[in-house]
Amino acid sequence: GNSVTQMEGPVTLSEEAFLTINCTYTATGYPSLFWYVQYPGEGLQLLLKATKADDKGSNKGFEATYRKETTSFHLEKGSVQVSDSAVYFCALSRDSNYQLIWGAGTKLIIKP
Amino acid sequence: DTGVSQDPRHKITKRGQNVTFRCDPISEHNRLYWYRQTLGQGPEFLTYFQNEAQLEKSRLLSDRFSAERPKGSFSTLEIQRTEQGDSAMYLCASSLVGSREETQYFGPGTRLLVL
Repeated sequence: GNSVTQMEGPVTLSEEAFLTINCTYTATGYPSLFWYVQYPGEGLQLLLKATKADDKGSNKGFEATYRKETTSFHLEKGSVQVSDSAVYFCALSRDSNYQLIWGAGTKLIIKP
Repeated sequence: DTGVSQDPRHKITKRGQNVTFRCDPISEHNRLYWYRQTLGQGPEFLTYFQNEAQLEKSRLLSDRFSAERPKGSFSTLEIQRTEQGDSAMYLCASSLVGSREETQYFGPGTRLLVL
């Protein structure tokens, strides 16, 4: 069946460090891939998405590239800020309007 | 900003009691989803509606769970005879099928604690 695996947290970085959060998936066909973010005390928000192989999703300085050959969708940011501290979830779906299948989430802590 | 809203935000109940949660989606959205999230885990899909029709239910949704969306707008999720294992965050999301921006927008969730 379809599944998502993401790196365990917490990930602790200093401000302005480079961020990578790994996400790999197992799926039949060609799913859409998503990163959602959950800030403390808030609901899940879509951060970025990609709907086909080699697409790059980007938002707020974050990027992720849909790599079909490695079944990966790693999240990257060149210079993190304290305000990026949150839990990040990788997810997939058959299309944007079908059920999302989620990773366990990675807590990111950015220290000033 | 009329995003997805959920009520109540928190619910504490005793084992064996029934509880009902409400979700109000973004007004023009025709799809509505329910997910459940336990501590330290990602959300798990429970069920979804297209307008008023319930199109799919997860195996996680036991007979004690029932969801409705009677007029294709708000939805309710009822849990009968609650068990301690039902303690979780219940999330609602909505989306607009056929829109250019087909994204699921989430509400803040209802946190259920069963004592």
